[in-house]
Amino acid sequence: DAGVTQSPTHLIKTRGQQVTLRCSPISGHKSVSWYQQVLGQGPQFIFQYYEKEERGRGNFPDRFSARQFPNYSSELNVNALLLGDSALYLCASSLAGLEQETQYFGPGTRLLVL
Amino acid sequence: AQSVAQPEDQVNVAEGNPLTVKCTYSVSGNPYLFWYVQYPNRGLQFLLKYITGDNLVKGSYGFEAEFNKSQTSFHLKKPSALVSDSALYFCAVRDDNAGNMLTFGGGTRLMVKP
Repeated sequence: DAGVTQSPTHLIKTRGQQVTLRCSPISGHKSVSWYQQVLGQGPQFIFQYYEKEERGRGNFPDRFSARQFPNYSSELNVNALLLGDSALYLCASSLAGLEQETQYFGPGTRLLVL
Repeated sequence: AQSVAQPEDQVNVAEGNPLTVKCTYSVSGNPYLFWYVQYPNRGLQFLLKYITGDNLVKGSYGFEAEFNKSQTSFHLKKPSALVSDSALYFCAVRDDNAGNMLTFGGGTRLMVKP
């Protein structure tokens, strides 16, 4: 079975630009979460979606937005990029987004902002 | 608020020796605890989790972890380390009172030397 997939794998942008990252969950999983992992740190929660609705939001500015589609795939958008947005962006999926469920992570998208 | 601490940035162990990677947590409700491993340029791989029940949890690749409620700890252990276990290990917690956010520790780098 395919795991969580993310695209693109790498991305280089300049300050002020906008970026869209994509994620496809494991087949049968209806919840997707997004995390930001800055080099040398643990992942930080950005968003969780379940059945196309936002279930949770971390402490990130409004420049960060996301959505989930009817096929449960998801996009993360970041506007007005800053140098500090350079990070590995991880997507994770779970069956229904419940607290006790395991989240399975994709390989990530590495974003570099110049 | 929920939080996780991994007090050691790096743990060094000889191949064949037992290993322990430490994790302590803070939650207001009941904790759901997870361990993940990250290899270079890869996403996070799930190792094991504690939801309820037996305090000793067995997971993938021979790893296990012991939940200790009084010490608010969830240390990761393996009886005999392999060189291939060298990686970055993350402990994570969800509080059943705090919604769906998964909070990660800062990570511990495990180095297993032949």
